[in-house]
Amino acid sequence: DVKVTQSSRYLVKRTGEKVFLECVQDMDHENMFWYRQDPGLGLRLIYFSYDVKMKEKGDIPEGYSVSREKKERFSLILESASTNQTSMYLCASSLFALADTNTGELFFGEGSRLTVL
Amino acid sequence: QQQVKQSPQSLIVQKGGISIINCAYENTAFDYFPWYQQFPGKGPALLIAIRPDVSEKKEGRFTISFNKSAKQFSLHIMDSQPGDSATYFCAGYSGAGSYQLTFGKGTKLSVIP
Repeated sequence: DVKVTQSSRYLVKRTGEKVFLECVQDMDHENMFWYRQDPGLGLRLIYFSYDVKMKEKGDIPEGYSVSREKKERFSLILESASTNQTSMYLCASSLFALADTNTGELFFGEGSRLTVL
Repeated sequence: QQQVKQSPQSLIVQKGGISIINCAYENTAFDYFPWYQQFPGKGPALLIAIRPDVSEKKEGRFTISFNKSAKQFSLHIMDSQPGDSATYFCAGYSGAGSYQLTFGKGTKLSVIP
């Protein structure tokens, strides 16, 4: 079974702190994603990466950056945390998308709930 | 721009009843429509999915109905059980030139005994 592991399930940080959220997948997937989940807003894509050292902005990249130095690891960075970044953060991975041969199924981690005070 | 509209936002169904969640999409390039199920404290997981060349797909108590001309699809949960209580997300995916799913905003389903 694919496993996506998010190292921190719960974090409490102060405004202005730098925050690192780590994600590791064990199935050699090409694609990795960071989503933010808020009630009533669903799943919003922050950033994704389709290869090592490659990254693409999603729908809400402002205030975030990412790092992918190794294929299995994708980090989300909040350079200066703010209270409006209090949220559930979900990491996901998927196989490289080949038309007609891959469904793009996402495998999610269990999430990191971040509270910024 | 919301490309997948999902309704209702929340749904309460009695045990044994039918739960119905509806989604409408705008992007005609979508060629794969999955539903994800998320239990409290867990990440979403793929539940069932359909391609637009079929009008219905059934897996156990879960059925997707797809209407390509109307650009709508829905999830039906027959004989709903308390264990089905979860948040459900519909999504659209275009395999050509894209690596990402476009999700609806989710429906929180509560099945009461």
